[in-house]
Amino acid sequence: QKEVEQNSGPLSVPEGAIASLNCTYSDRGSQSFFWYRQYSGKSPELIMFIYSNGDKEDGRFTAQLNKASQYVSLLIRDSQPSDSATYLCAVTRSSNDYKLSFGAGTTVTVRA
Amino acid sequence: NAGVMQNPRHLVRRRGQEARLRCSPMKGHSHVYWYRQLPEEGLKFMVYLQKENIIDESGMPKERFSAEFPKEGPSILRIQQVVRGDSAAYFCASSPPRQGTEAFFGQGTRLTVV
Repeated sequence: QKEVEQNSGPLSVPEGAIASLNCTYSDRGSQSFFWYRQYSGKSPELIMFIYSNGDKEDGRFTAQLNKASQYVSLLIRDSQPSDSATYLCAVTRSSNDYKLSFGAGTTVTVRA
Repeated sequence: NAGVMQNPRHLVRRRGQEARLRCSPMKGHSHVYWYRQLPEEGLKFMVYLQKENIIDESGMPKERFSAEFPKEGPSILRIQQVVRGDSAAYFCASSPPRQGTEAFFGQGTRLTVV
């Protein structure tokens, strides 16, 4: 079983719609959760992090964490063509841990 | 404030040659991490270094790979006797001395072994 699993996609959504990305993790001891955006051929860019159960909103992005279900998601509201990228879910075992475990990523395409 | 700088951006090596990848962390960052991204796969942790110390190399292949972060100069990831399977994007990330802070990634070095 992979430590962090994501649907590979591609996830295609029309401009202005909500894109919903899911991530599950196997280590129940995981404490910190991150979403990175990676454009093709570019470096990963941190867009959200969440430590506590519930929702965390930042602009058009909302991260949702459910530790009991070992599930973290990312919602992108009012999707724009510039949101077309691969979104990587990453976890660490504690807020002090340095080692990120990444999922393989979900490719999102926003249709104009 | 420059970000994490990696060079070269692209590197082509023939099988059996050595590859040297360099990483200069962000100003004020003393922690460096190397990750490898194989085609169609997520990033995999390789090694964590602080100045003059290897803290965790649990993700490094046992042979041919080494890393260093000298007192002066960039961190170096060295791959000896490269094979085709080493072809990948190698990303360096850095973070400040405080634990639990986010890591910032460089643009990566794309290694192609021919």
